[in-house]
Amino acid sequence: QQQVRQSPQSLTVWEGETAILNCSYEDSTFDYFPWYHQFPGESPALLIAIRPVSNKKEDGRFTIFFNKREKKFSLHIADSQPGDSATYFCAASGAGGNNKLTFGQGTVLSVIP
Amino acid sequence: DPKIIQKPKYLVAVTGSEKILICEQYLGHNAMYWYRQSAKKPLEFMFSYSYQKLMDNQTASSRFQPQSSKKNHLDLQITALKPDDSATYFCASSQERGQNTLYFGAGTRLSVL
Repeated sequence: QQQVRQSPQSLTVWEGETAILNCSYEDSTFDYFPWYHQFPGESPALLIAIRPVSNKKEDGRFTIFFNKREKKFSLHIADSQPGDSATYFCAASGAGGNNKLTFGQGTVLSVIP
Repeated sequence: DPKIIQKPKYLVAVTGSEKILICEQYLGHNAMYWYRQSAKKPLEFMFSYSYQKLMDNQTASSRFQPQSSKKNHLDLQITALKPDDSATYFCASSQERGQNTLYFGAGTRLSVL
C-alpha cells in the first residue's frame, strides 16, 4: 500500500523559475515530513523537514508548505538552478520516533539553463 | 571522507547464493538502519537498530538478517538470493532512534542473476 504519493514523476523548469513538488499521505499518525534529494550515483541526503505544528518551513530557496487538513505537503524551490537537478523524495514517519520513513516515488527535477 | 562506509559498492550474485553487505558508520550514532531502493519501488525501510538491538523489522522474509557485531556496524546477510532482491541497499544512521536526521551511506548495488 502506497502511503505517500508524490507528483509529478518528472519536472522540467527553466533556470530562475520556481519548481513545485507535491506529496500527499494517508496515515494521520504521521508527524514528521522530510524532503531528501539524491544526485545520480549518490546517496539520499536530507534537504529540509517539517512537523505539523507549522504549516511552513523555509531554508534559503527551499520552502515546505504543509496542509494537515488535506494531508498534503509540497516543496517549493525558488530561483531554481541547474545544480538543483536531482531526484527529490518526500517522506513521512509516525509518532514514536523510530525513523521508519515511508518514502514517495520521487520526482526527477531538471533545471534548464 | 565518507562517514558511513558500505562495502562492496557493487555486487553480482547468482540465484540461490548468499551474500553479506557491510556497513560501518563513524558518526558516533547510536541508531542504524537498512533501506532498499529498487527500480520500481520507492525507498523502503527494512530494519532499525538502536544500541545494537533490533527495534523494527519491516521485512517479511527471514532471508534478510541484519547483524550488529559492534555498535557502529550493521551488516545485512541475505540468503537464498532471488532476482527480485536486485536493488541498491542503503545503510543509514541517526544520533538516536528518533525523528532525527538520517544520514545515508553510498549504497551497495546488488544484482542477482
